[in-house]
Amino acid sequence: EDQVTQSPEALRLQEGESSSLNCSYTVSGLRGLFWYRQDPGKGPEFLFTLYSAGEEKEKERLKATLTKKESFLHITAPKPEDSATYLCAVRGIKAAGNKLTFGGGTRVLVKP
Amino acid sequence: DTAVSQTPKYLVTQMGNDKSIKCEQNLGHDTMYWYKQDSKKFLKIMFSYNNKELIINETVPNRFSPKSPDKAHLNLHINSLELGDSAVYFCASSQDWREGAGELFFGEGSRLTVL
Repeated sequence: EDQVTQSPEALRLQEGESSSLNCSYTVSGLRGLFWYRQDPGKGPEFLFTLYSAGEEKEKERLKATLTKKESFLHITAPKPEDSATYLCAVRGIKAAGNKLTFGGGTRVLVKP
Repeated sequence: DTAVSQTPKYLVTQMGNDKSIKCEQNLGHDTMYWYKQDSKKFLKIMFSYNNKELIINETVPNRFSPKSPDKAHLNLHINSLELGDSAVYFCASSQDWREGAGELFFGEGSRLTVL
């Protein structure tokens, strides 16, 4: 069964203090690794899809990278508006339909 | 203009009652989903429909019954509510799952509290 573990559970940063979030995964074969952002009281919002080791995607201050066992979401010079919970999910080759397995998320708080 | 809308946003009810949550998407997607997010924030899939056909049915009690009248709507009916059903339920949609779309568009969630 596909598994996803995210660390740390929570992260407090000062504005401008860069950091990285970790997503460790176990799948029989990776069909895709996904990052989502979730604001309080809202549904998750899609950020990135990564398909193979070595792949990188960037969006503003966020950069996602992928290895065969984990993915990192790097936040460069974060701003208070980057405060949110970041969710990682995987789709394995044995997953029925378009089933995504999510991790528990990393809660990021960026203080001005 | 809302892409995926679900109603109601909040539900407070007594144990044993029956309740429904409705979901509609205007993105023209073929696949819709119900996810449950518990107090620890884990999102777990419950059901998925593709153009009104059930394609994912996870280990969910029979008290939960999804219904898709057309590909733009996916409703969730819950019978005999229990305390453990308290959670936030998210509806989502995507392009046809066979095309490998991992980008899900989520609604804002329906918070269910069972007393």
